[in-house]
Amino acid sequence: EAQVTQNPRYLITVTGKKLTVTCSQNMNHEYMSWYRQDPGLGLRQIYYSMNVEVTDKGDVPEGYKVSRKEKRNFPLILESPSPNQTSLYFCASSSLAGGPHEQYFGPGTRLTVT
Amino acid sequence: KQEVTQIPAALSVPEGENLVLNCSFTDSAIYNLQWFRQDPGKGLTSLLLIQSSQREQTSGRLNASLDKSSGRSTLYIAASQPGDSATYLCAVGGYSTLTFGKGTMLLVSP
Repeated sequence: EAQVTQNPRYLITVTGKKLTVTCSQNMNHEYMSWYRQDPGLGLRQIYYSMNVEVTDKGDVPEGYKVSRKEKRNFPLILESPSPNQTSLYFCASSSLAGGPHEQYFGPGTRLTVT
Repeated sequence: KQEVTQIPAALSVPEGENLVLNCSFTDSAIYNLQWFRQDPGKGLTSLLLIQSSQREQTSGRLNASLDKSSGRSTLYIAASQPGDSATYLCAVGGYSTLTFGKGTMLLVSP
């Protein structure tokens, strides 16, 4: 089954404790992206990757890092989480063959930073 | 920078009504437009994708149209049902990102 998976689905952590949210897709997609969703602000892009070893900032990259060492994986790293990073996070992937295609979203990771 | 607006922000209708959700965007240089459904606290379910060269797409009781020149898309839901209650999100596709509207919260009462 074609899918985007994220782990963990729920995470409660404390300020300053480094964490990684994993994202994996099994569709051989070139493009992967991270979004965060906050009440009243909607979904905003954090980082994206057009292919292996190619990453770029989205609209709200501060406080986040990403890496794309393999085509299927695109982890989101919070080196020193703060309470303002409490949010619902979504990973997405898409084929780029012939131009951008439909984006497929993971189930989301609800992060709480206390 | 692309901006996406969805009107209305909330909509309440009785079961069986046909309804239209509106989405407008500021930059017509788009690759595609996606409509999503989101249940409270849940993930995004893709409903319809319209490529920039297309005018509309249909799936069951859903029909989405795209007018790139005027920067508008509509999602038409026929014969609404209580199970259609959710937030509907419009997302405009550029080459490297999707820009989302804030959504229309739909409530269909029995």
